[in-house]
Amino acid sequence: AQSVAQPEDQVNVAEGNPLTVKCTYSVSGNPYLFWYVQYPNRGLQFLLKYITGDNLVKGSYGFEAEFNKSQTSFHLKKPSALVSDSALYFCAVRSSGALVFGKGTRLSVIA
Amino acid sequence: DTGVSQNPRHKITKRGQNVTFRCDPISEHNRLYWYRQTLGQGPEFLTYFQNEAQLEKSRLLSDRFSAERPKGSFSTLEIQRTEQGDSAMYLCASSPNPGPGWTDTQYFGPGTRLTVL
Repeated sequence: AQSVAQPEDQVNVAEGNPLTVKCTYSVSGNPYLFWYVQYPNRGLQFLLKYITGDNLVKGSYGFEAEFNKSQTSFHLKKPSALVSDSALYFCAVRSSGALVFGKGTRLSVIA
Repeated sequence: DTGVSQNPRHKITKRGQNVTFRCDPISEHNRLYWYRQTLGQGPEFLTYFQNEAQLEKSRLLSDRFSAERPKGSFSTLEIQRTEQGDSAMYLCASSPNPGPGWTDTQYFGPGTRLTVL
């Protein structure tokens, strides 16, 4: 079965510093990987996806993610964090028609 | 493109009552998905439609749950005889039509928060 794991429940980073939110995956076949962000009492907003091609994927709001096949990872990154980036981040993998989500990582950016 | 909309945004009901939620997908998206999200967890897949056909159902979708998409546009999710364990956020998503270069990015609505007392 397709699955993703987010090993950190919480990530704290100072404003202006680079941030990384980790995700590892377990799939059979080629992975279709996604990152979404959720703000309080809101639905999920799509950030970026990896289907094929370049291992570095650029997305919305200055976020990017690096696909690493040997480490089965798809970590989300941003060079300089903003306080407004504070939210809940979900990694997901496509499994048949559905998305299978990780448990989420709460990012807190401190001014 | 007005995004995926869901109604109501909040629903409080008593145990044993039936509830129905509505989802309006992005115009011309022919795939529509339902997920459930409980506190501290990621969304869990319930079911999805392609046009009016229900193509996949999760084991989470017990016989008290039913979803429809009669004309291939909006969808409803009904929960009969609600239980306290049904309290959750119910999320709807839609994705563009399959075709060349299709990658099935799902776009989510704001969700309906259900509280069963």
